[in-house]
Amino acid sequence: GIQVEQSPPDLILQEGANSTLRCNFSDSVNNLQWFHQNPWGQLINLFYIPSGTKQNGRLSATTVATERYSLLYISSSQTTDSGVYFCAVESRSNYQLIWGAGTKLIIKP
Amino acid sequence: GAGVSQSPRYKVAKRGQDVALRCDPISGHVSLFWYQQALGQGPEFLTYFQNEAQLDKSGLPSDRFFAERPEGSVSTLKIQRTQQEDSAVYLCASSLNSFYSNQPQHFGDGTRLSIL
Repeated sequence: GIQVEQSPPDLILQEGANSTLRCNFSDSVNNLQWFHQNPWGQLINLFYIPSGTKQNGRLSATTVATERYSLLYISSSQTTDSGVYFCAVESRSNYQLIWGAGTKLIIKP
Repeated sequence: GAGVSQSPRYKVAKRGQDVALRCDPISGHVSLFWYQQALGQGPEFLTYFQNEAQLDKSGLPSDRFFAERPEGSVSTLKIQRTQQEDSAVYLCASSLNSFYSNQPQHFGDGTRLSIL
C-alpha cells in the first residue's frame, strides 16, 4: 500500500519564525489533506489539496502530485501553532486516509 | 450540527467491560469513517460506511469490535470485553461522498478511551 513519510519528525522554533513541513507519498493519490492536532487532541482540517497551491492566512500548502510530495508552510509562527501536523492521503484504489507519522511542532515564546 | 460530534469525550472502563462510542456526522454526509489513534501515532483506519452499508471493516482489529449505522446517520462503535490494548483515541469522520473521492473528511474531537 501507499507509504506516507513526513519530515522533520520534530521541530522547535521561536515565535515569529517560518517553517516548512514536508510530506512524501509513494504512489498516485486521489486527494491529500493536512491536519493540525492541537495539544487537546482535536484534529483540525487545514487544507484539502490534491494538487496546486492554497493559502489561508499565515498558512499555505503546495502539492506537486506528479512528484508525489506536498509542503506546508507556516509563517510568523505563534505559540498556538504548536501541536502535531499530519499529512493524510487517499489512494486511488480505496477511500481510506493513509496517514503520515506527523511532525511535532513546538513554538517557544 | 455544524461539525462531527462524538460522545462521550472521555471513557474509562475496567478490562472486560463493554463500551459504546457514538458519532453524529455532519448532516447530509453520506460517508462515515472510524479511526483509532494510539498515543504518539497517526490515526489508523477501522471501518467505513456509505449510508447504512458497512462497505469496509478490514481495519477492525478483532471480532470484539463492531460498528453500525442503522439509519445512515448516527454511528456507534462497540467494543466488547475490552482489553488494555484498546486504550486509544477513537476518531469519527464524515464526508459528503468519499466513494467517488474528491471530498475531504471532517473529523470529530474523538473519544479518549482508557481501559484499566
